[in-house]
Amino acid sequence: GAVVSQHPSWVICKSGTSVKIECRSLDFQATTMFWYRQFPKQSLMLMATSNEGSKATYEQGVEKDKFLINHASLTLSTLTVTSAHPEDSSFYICSAEEGSTGELFFGEGSRLTVL
Amino acid sequence: DAKTTQPPSMDCAEGRAANLPCNHSTISGNEYVYWYRQIHSQGPQYIIHGLKNNETNEMASLIITEDRKSSTLILPHATLRDTAVYYCIVRVAAGSARQLTFGSGTQLTVLP
Repeated sequence: GAVVSQHPSWVICKSGTSVKIECRSLDFQATTMFWYRQFPKQSLMLMATSNEGSKATYEQGVEKDKFLINHASLTLSTLTVTSAHPEDSSFYICSAEEGSTGELFFGEGSRLTVL
Repeated sequence: DAKTTQPPSMDCAEGRAANLPCNHSTISGNEYVYWYRQIHSQGPQYIIHGLKNNETNEMASLIITEDRKSSTLILPHATLRDTAVYYCIVRVAAGSARQLTFGSGTQLTVLP
C-alpha cells in the first residue's frame, strides 16, 4: 500500500521554541493532506486540511498563526508549532489522500513534548 | 458525515474470531463504511471499507446489514498483535477530499 512518512517521530523542545514536523507521501502525489492531533487516551481530532499550492483550512478553535501549515509540493506538507508551550505536547498525525484512488493513508505520527 | 457508535472496549481470546460492531443509523446512500485501527503510539492503519456488499481482504471481513445501518468487522483469527483501538468511520466516496472524522473507537484487547 501507499506510504506516508512523518519526521521526526518524536521531539522534545523547550517552551517558546518552534518545531517543524514533516509529512511526506513517498510513492504517490497528494494534493490534499490532513493534520490531526491526539491527546492521551483520546481520539484523533482534525486540526487542518492542507491543500497543495493554497492556504490551509483550519478547524474551529485551531490557531492558524500558531500551527503554520505549508504544502508547497505534491509530496510534502509541513506543520510548524510556533512558540510551543507544554499544553501543545501531543501526538501529531498526518494523512494524505492518494490522487488516483482517493484513499487516505496515515503517517506514523510525531510525538511532541514541550518542557 | 454520519455519526457512528461503537462499544468502548471488547476482549477476545487469541485464535478466536473478533467481531466488532458499529452502528451508523444515519448513513447516507453515498457514504462508505471504513475501518481503521490504531496500535498504541502509531498512526491509524487502514483495514477495509465497503458500501453495501460484504467485503473481505487479507486482514478482515466487513459485514454490512441490508439496511446499511450497522456493520461488523470480523478478524477471523485474532492474534496478540491485533490489540488496538478500532475505528468505524462513515465517509463519502474516496476522492472527495473529505477528511476522516474519528469517533471514540473500540479498544480491542486480545488475551493469550
